Amino acid sequence: GAVVSQHPSRVICKSGTSVKIECRSLDFQATTMFWYRQFPKQSLMLMATSNEGSKATYEQGVEKDKFLINHASLTLSTLTVTSAHPEDSSFYICSAEDRDINEKLFFGSGTQLSVL
Amino acid sequence: QKEVEQDPGPLSVPEGAIVSLNCTYSNSAFQYFMWYRQYSRKGPELLMYTYSSGNKEDGRFTAQVDKSSKYISLFIRDSQPSDSATYLCAMGNQGGKLIFGQGTELSVKP
Repeated sequence: GAVVSQHPSRVICKSGTSVKIECRSLDFQATTMFWYRQFPKQSLMLMATSNEGSKATYEQGVEKDKFLINHASLTLSTLTVTSAHPEDSSFYICSAEDRDINEKLFFGSGTQLSVL
Repeated sequence: QKEVEQDPGPLSVPEGAIVSLNCTYSNSAFQYFMWYRQYSRKGPELLMYTYSSGNKEDGRFTAQVDKSSKYISLFIRDSQPSDSATYLCAMGNQGGKLIFGQGTELSVKP
């Protein structure tokens, strides 16, 4: 299947700093990428949909100024958690849609963010 | 009522057992159905993808869809300890968002 690379896999930062997470589709072009948040033993919560060359669409309750999404190319989307606080600590996962394979979603390996 | 309901488990079975994982849904517009496997602190891995009622088999895994009952299942034959993970069902329609179940935590004991 298609490969989606996500970095970093783990980050620990101080409260008030910003953290950038990268998501790359390695062997296909992804016009659409998705960002999820997952708490322990819970399902994936969609945060936003990222479309190449346009503004991201955020789900209700997700602060767009807090979670900045950039999708500047067909293979790269980034999520920046600005002025991180301990309550932002979570597992963040990106996914990319390969339209050549009937809308299947392929996921990155996830980023565990811990804000001290 | 959630759009997709999945028993969170945990489910514990002995090695070699047949495992049945299930999801129900309420939105009759869903057109395609997926099962993902997620190991702890990793991203979900696509296991099975179906878009019609009936069975689809891939090795030890069989996905079953019953659109009339709005019910999908994943069967794992000859389960192995390496199958221990959380299994997520997901479904959607063309152009729409993918909706995930809560995930079922499976443990296969040697």
